[in-house]
Amino acid sequence: AQKITQTQPGMFVQEKEAVTLDCTYDTSDQSYGLFWYKQPSSGEMIFLIYQGSYDEQNATEGRYSLNFQKARKSANLVISASQLGDSAMYFCAMRAFISSGSARQLTFGSGTQLTVLP
Amino acid sequence: GAVVSQHPSWVICKSGTSVKIECRSLDFQATTMFWYRQFPKQSLMLMATSNEGSKATYEQGVEKDKFLINHASLTLSTLTVTSAHPEDSSFYICSSGGLAGATYEQYFGPGTRLTVT
Repeated sequence: AQKITQTQPGMFVQEKEAVTLDCTYDTSDQSYGLFWYKQPSSGEMIFLIYQGSYDEQNATEGRYSLNFQKARKSANLVISASQLGDSAMYFCAMRAFISSGSARQLTFGSGTQLTVLP
Repeated sequence: GAVVSQHPSWVICKSGTSVKIECRSLDFQATTMFWYRQFPKQSLMLMATSNEGSKATYEQGVEKDKFLINHASLTLSTLTVTSAHPEDSSFYICSSGGLAGATYEQYFGPGTRLTVT
């Protein structure tokens, strides 16, 4: 079984500053992927960044970077130079990879509501 | 990237009626679709996994006779909420399945907001 824990229900950050959203996970799978999604008030799920369990380097996508610490089972999202449009709910998720067979679903954390202050 | 559409985007229905939500993959073949439900201020909870041409697999606690899932083709999966009640009011999101070994090939539909009065 997989479990994702996000301990920050709400976070505030000043515009143009950086913010870290915490995510820890638990799994018995050897191969897995970690994801971050942004969900604005419209409800759409916007993919932000992905990290594979065997990736040696931390993933980066523009202003988003993932601080992956495998031994600690953490996959924190760092948003640099926050913008007002970053205000949204952020979900950490994971999916196990299997060598064969059908697709696997994502398991989501409880989410963090980020508010960027002007 | 790939696109998944959902219809309707929002629906209001009376208690006791049934509502069908369609999820279409527009430019790829989705052999697997996942259906999630999200209550306000909460996370996405997996309801069921549908595979093209076979019966859906439901998560524990989800009534399969109430939430009927049909995946008759590689581009269309439907969720029917039968005899809807106010407690079924929620945001329903479908997602295509990522293949084994793939990375972030998980495409979400825009969601359907269901309100049962």
